[in-house]
Amino acid sequence: LAKTTQPISMDSYEGQEVNITCSHNNIATNDYITWYQQFPSQGPRFIIQGYKTKVTNEVASLFIPADRKSSTLSLPRVSLSDTAVYYCLVGGYLKAAGNKLTFGGGTRVLVKP
Amino acid sequence: ETGVTQSPTHLIKTRGQQVTLRCSSQSGHNTVSWYQQALGQGPQFIFQYYREEENGRGNFPPRFSGLQFPNYSSELNVNALELDDSALYLCASSGGTSLYEQYFGPGTRLTVT
Repeated sequence: LAKTTQPISMDSYEGQEVNITCSHNNIATNDYITWYQQFPSQGPRFIIQGYKTKVTNEVASLFIPADRKSSTLSLPRVSLSDTAVYYCLVGGYLKAAGNKLTFGGGTRVLVKP
Repeated sequence: ETGVTQSPTHLIKTRGQQVTLRCSSQSGHNTVSWYQQALGQGPQFIFQYYREEENGRGNFPPRFSGLQFPNYSSELNVNALELDDSALYLCASSGGTSLYEQYFGPGTRLTVT
């Protein structure tokens, strides 16, 4: 299984940009990188997904270097409601790839006023 | 479009008993994945079902088994419950236009005493 490593926690202030980096040194060719947000007692919520280079949507950006051994989730101008645990997920859904789905330990982001 | 639902919400069982958890996938999704999330930890992949067949399995013993039905709903069965099986069990469905984007249900909180 592709192992992922993330910082345990990060503090930020409202209006700042938060960048969370996930390491996944043994990522496989068929693996995608997906980030989720989780609030207490709720299921994780999809934020963004990518395979290489940069992906941007209405809530975040995802930066993936050419070697794909790491990825960085960027949350622009965070608010108090962005306080949550953020997970990096590496895996693929192709039967031939063996369907390895691995969550990282998660990064607890605390946004302060 | 209905989201992913799980039942029951909470469950208390005794060590050695068996339990069945249920999940209804999101409309249009044909893939269901199950995760176990212990308190304070990230979700751990149990297994995935694609069109009624197991399509990948994590490091869980055989007493964790599953089923997917023709309507793509799914069951997770755990036999011979152990105290360490106490956790939040999450179901996620995927498919449709994005195979790699998972939608999680609210989870079932299982307590084994």
